[in-house]
This record gives sequence, structure tokens and C-alpha cells, in this order.
Amino acid sequence: DVKVTQSSRYLVKRTGEKVFLECVQDMDHENMFWYRQDPGLGLRLIYFSYDVKMKEKGDIPEGYSVSREKKERFSLILESASTNQTSMYLCASGRGQVKETQYFGPGTRLLVL
Amino acid sequence: AQSVTQPDIHITVSEGASLELRCNYSYGATPYLFWYVQSPGQGLQLLLKYFSGDTLVQGIKGFEAEFKRSQSSFNLRKPSVHWSDAAEYFCAVGAAGGYQKVTFGTGTKLQVIP
Repeated sequence: DVKVTQSSRYLVKRTGEKVFLECVQDMDHENMFWYRQDPGLGLRLIYFSYDVKMKEKGDIPEGYSVSREKKERFSLILESASTNQTSMYLCASGRGQVKETQYFGPGTRLLVL
Repeated sequence: AQSVTQPDIHITVSEGASLELRCNYSYGATPYLFWYVQSPGQGLQLLLKYFSGDTLVQGIKGFEAEFKRSQSSFNLRKPSVHWSDAAEYFCAVGAAGGYQKVTFGTGTKLQVIP
């Protein structure tokens, strides 16, 4: 059974803190993605990675960075958390090109105070 | 760039009634189209996808969708809704030839009443 796991389901941080969100997949997928989900806005792509150490900006990369040192792990970093980064963060992974399925983790709900 | 519109933010249907969720896309060539479902507290799961061939696509959980190029639409249907179908549904569009990058719509939240 395919599995994408995220390190935390809920996270509370203070403004200005550095925040790490971790995602691990066990399907040997080349591609990994970070989205944020907000009511009325749907899912918006922050960053994606198509190989180890490779990354591409998505639609809303400002205020975020990512790291992919191993194939199975993709980290999202908020260098200095702000209240407008309070959101649900979803990680996904997939193989190959656009017609392939993306497999999603359960999400991390981040609250920045 | 591709885009997708889901005009209905929230839909309520009675259990056993039929369902149609609307999705309109914008893309110059033949798109790759997807419907995902997000049950409460969970990540997204693929229901079905279209990228070529028969324009009527069957998916899991009894869902189907029809690609209509003339209307730029990919509406999701189910003939008889079950209470467990209450969830949020996302349409997504991708462009052929690139990385596995898709653009999601804003979602439609489905409420099922007894």
C-alpha cells in the first residue's frame, strides 16, 4: 500500500521561528510536491522536486524553501514564520509525467501565532 | 498557463440522489484532467483521470466524468450518492509534456443529507 507520511498533523509556532515540515514517501517516486490549502483558494503549489537535490518553484514560493537530500524525503522550510503562513500543508509524491497519479499525505495544520 | 474553475463552492444533495459537480478548464491543447476527493481530516485521493481516448471515464467509488472539449468541461457524476461521499472534491488540470505539475481548482464541498 502506498504511503506518504508527514511529520506532524498539528503544529503551533511563533512568528519569526524557523519551521521544518517533513514528508516521507515509501514508493520510490521521483517527484515530490508541497502544497498549501486554504479555504476558497484550493491547493496551491509551493515547490516541487523531480529528483534528489533538484527543485522547482511553484506558484507561491515566497517565504518558503525546500530541501531534498534523499529520494524519499522532501522538507519544507519556513525561514521566518509569519501569521499569513497559517494554513494546511499537504505533501504529495508521484512517478513520471503529468498523467500519473499524485499520492497525498494527511496534511500538517500549521498555526503561526 | 492552464487553469481550472469549479463554480460551486458548496453543494447539498439528499442520500440516493444523483450528483454532478462542475469543472471548467482553460488550456490550449488537449489537457490532462483529474478529479481528487478529500475526506474530512485526510489527504487527497484520486477518483479518476482523463488524458486520451474515450471521453467518458470511470473511476473509483462509482464516480464517472465526461470530457467535453467543446465546453471545456470535465464534470463529475454519480447516479446515487451515499452518506460516505460527503467530502471536498477537487478538479485539476495538467499540461502534456512537462513535469508532473498540475493546477487544482478551489474545490467543491459536498454535503449529503438523509
